[in-house]
Amino acid sequence: DQQVKQNSPSLSVQEGRISILNCDYTNSMFDYFLWYKKYPAEGPTFLISISSIKDKNEDGRFTVFLNKSAKHLSLHIVPSQPGDSAVYFCAASDAGGTSYGKLTFGQGTILTVHP
Amino acid sequence: GAGVSQSPRYKVTKRGQDVTLRCDPISSHATLYWYQQALGQGPEFLTYFNYEAQPDKSGLPSDRFSAERPEGSISTLTIQRTEQRDSAMYRCASSLMRGSCETQYFGPGTRLLVL
Repeated sequence: DQQVKQNSPSLSVQEGRISILNCDYTNSMFDYFLWYKKYPAEGPTFLISISSIKDKNEDGRFTVFLNKSAKHLSLHIVPSQPGDSAVYFCAASDAGGTSYGKLTFGQGTILTVHP
Repeated sequence: GAGVSQSPRYKVTKRGQDVTLRCDPISSHATLYWYQQALGQGPEFLTYFNYEAQPDKSGLPSDRFSAERPEGSISTLTIQRTEQRDSAMYRCASSLMRGSCETQYFGPGTRLLVL
């Protein structure tokens, strides 16, 4: 039962263009969503998050959009840079319920940004 | 310390042997999580500690898996009578306190291979 799904295993983008990574979830109790970025041989690092009371959160080149009715979120990177090449994980939490931070992750999307 | 550390980074063992993995969280972080990550998948929650208490063990796959954090800092994850299906990356994360909005900082992981 995959409650968080990233249906694109990989994405290839030209430097300077927009990268859009997508994530779908099935559990309607999820109310807090995060994106993590992972480089080879390192652990995932937190990138950006969004609460279900918002539909957009922006941090520099990174913007996360949340569509609660569609149970869908996306991460936009503009402009994409070669250093953004990494695996991106979407994660979700039931903050209002368990409230201790248990994260449910998607399978990850490998982003490659070509110079 | 500067970040979350885990040891060993790699462990190869024979089926039936016991293994113990160690996690050293960021000092002063109250909450510690263990995740299991299969190849090509995202991390899956195993258990977590708030200081030395272990309120949720629901993600542990079987009673062969156990975790400890006796003094509220370093934690160990022990797998008894290892099986080939236990082969995975085991990741530890810590956060300053409990809560979904608290950033989890991940260690580099221990890659376990059971032959």
